[in-house]
Amino acid sequence: DAGVIQSPRHEVTEMGQEVTLRCKPISGHDYLFWYRQTMMRGLELLIYFNNNVPIDDSGMPEDRFSAKMPNASFSTLKIQPSEPRDSAVYFCASSSMGRAKKEAFFGQGTRLTVV
Amino acid sequence: DAKTTQPTSMDCAEGRAANLPCNHSTISGNEYVYWYRQIHSQGPQYIIHGLKNNETNEMASLIITEDRKSSTLILPHATLRDTAVYYCIVSAYTGANSKLTFGKGITLSVRP
Repeated sequence: DAGVIQSPRHEVTEMGQEVTLRCKPISGHDYLFWYRQTMMRGLELLIYFNNNVPIDDSGMPEDRFSAKMPNASFSTLKIQPSEPRDSAVYFCASSSMGRAKKEAFFGQGTRLTVV
Repeated sequence: DAKTTQPTSMDCAEGRAANLPCNHSTISGNEYVYWYRQIHSQGPQYIIHGLKNNETNEMASLIITEDRKSSTLILPHATLRDTAVYYCIVSAYTGANSKLTFGKGITLSVRP
């Protein structure tokens, strides 16, 4: 398996533009997590899904952020409109309750810069 | 609202054992202790986890105290490539309590 795949790897956009980050989890995994990492705030959990259903979105900073998981193999995190303070590395991770370890596998991240 | 506390940083000499402590005094009976590490700008990587018993794998050993309020991750022979931020996390992995909340972690620096 290729692991968790995130796209794009880097995104530079202007303030006010819509940004969409994409994630393809590992096949067969039933949990998907979205994280944001900055120097100031560390690694923050934004939202996570179980079997494509959002379970906890309490970490989503505000209404400008939205996440969807239309099927088991794809998820998006959208920011509209984007602001400079949204600049961060966004990680997607997936895991499976069926695995003995139940460990989460992380993607390589998307580095977002909003200018 | 991380449920664990770790020192900010530590260092050790290459080839020596690195012992990384973690306090999780409010851990629930069904919560596991997980350790992940993050090497400069990469996504975090799973290391090991345990519930009550001590665990060992090819990467590390995990020692959990009998009252489960603290644990220690042991890297038996640290190398320069082990320089990273190490995160200790507790999670029950059941439905609504399946979130993996990362704290600040501990920065381990392995010196030559």
